Amino acid sequence: NAGVTQTPKFQVLKTGQSMTLQCAQDMNHEYMSWYRQDPGMGLRLIHYSVGAGITDQGEVPNGYNVSRSTTEDFPLRLLSAAPSQTSVYFCASSQNRGSTGELFFGEGSRLTVL
Amino acid sequence: AQSVTQLGSHVSVSEGALVLLRCNYSSSVPPYLFWYVQYPNQGLQLLLKYTSAATLVKGINGFEAEFKKSETSFHLTKPSAHMSDAAEYFCAVSTYGAGGSQGNLIFGKGTKLSVKP
Repeated sequence: NAGVTQTPKFQVLKTGQSMTLQCAQDMNHEYMSWYRQDPGMGLRLIHYSVGAGITDQGEVPNGYNVSRSTTEDFPLRLLSAAPSQTSVYFCASSQNRGSTGELFFGEGSRLTVL
Repeated sequence: AQSVTQLGSHVSVSEGALVLLRCNYSSSVPPYLFWYVQYPNQGLQLLLKYTSAATLVKGINGFEAEFKKSETSFHLTKPSAHMSDAAEYFCAVSTYGAGGSQGNLIFGKGTKLSVKP
């Protein structure tokens, strides 16, 4: 059971470039989310989805797009990368739409924007 | 709106000593509370969760936490620290039931635990 798989693990971009961080889960979870982790800031929610075709913004959505065409996949797109988007990105999924469900995290994608 | 405050960004203990990591929450409705652990270069994994059942919650690796409504606290403890406990620990509160973002967790800023031999 692979759980939550994120690719790539590392990426370096130049300012203005675009890219997509991939996230796939094989647990048939309804809920998926993207967080960014910055030193001293904890984890902040970027976007989330409660099912295929349904997405919504989190705390820090600016500069990012998401889509959810299937239950398994939840890609995060950076439209025009900025140095402020240098961070570690985590995808997480949960079985339940309610908050009693455990969040399962991927191993993270470390992004550097020059 | 819910929020979480973790007191102390770094905590250092000796091996065998008590571990106490502090978490206070703010919530206008009964909260769901979680502790997650992150080992270096890994994602987060659930240690334990409080979902309005018993106020003393036991988790993995000998950790436990007590929900105290009067103090709005959910501190994490372990009687005897091991070297393998060195990691970063995150407290989180759920927004479920508050309207709007159902199912989202709000995380604290984290506490890095160091264990000295």
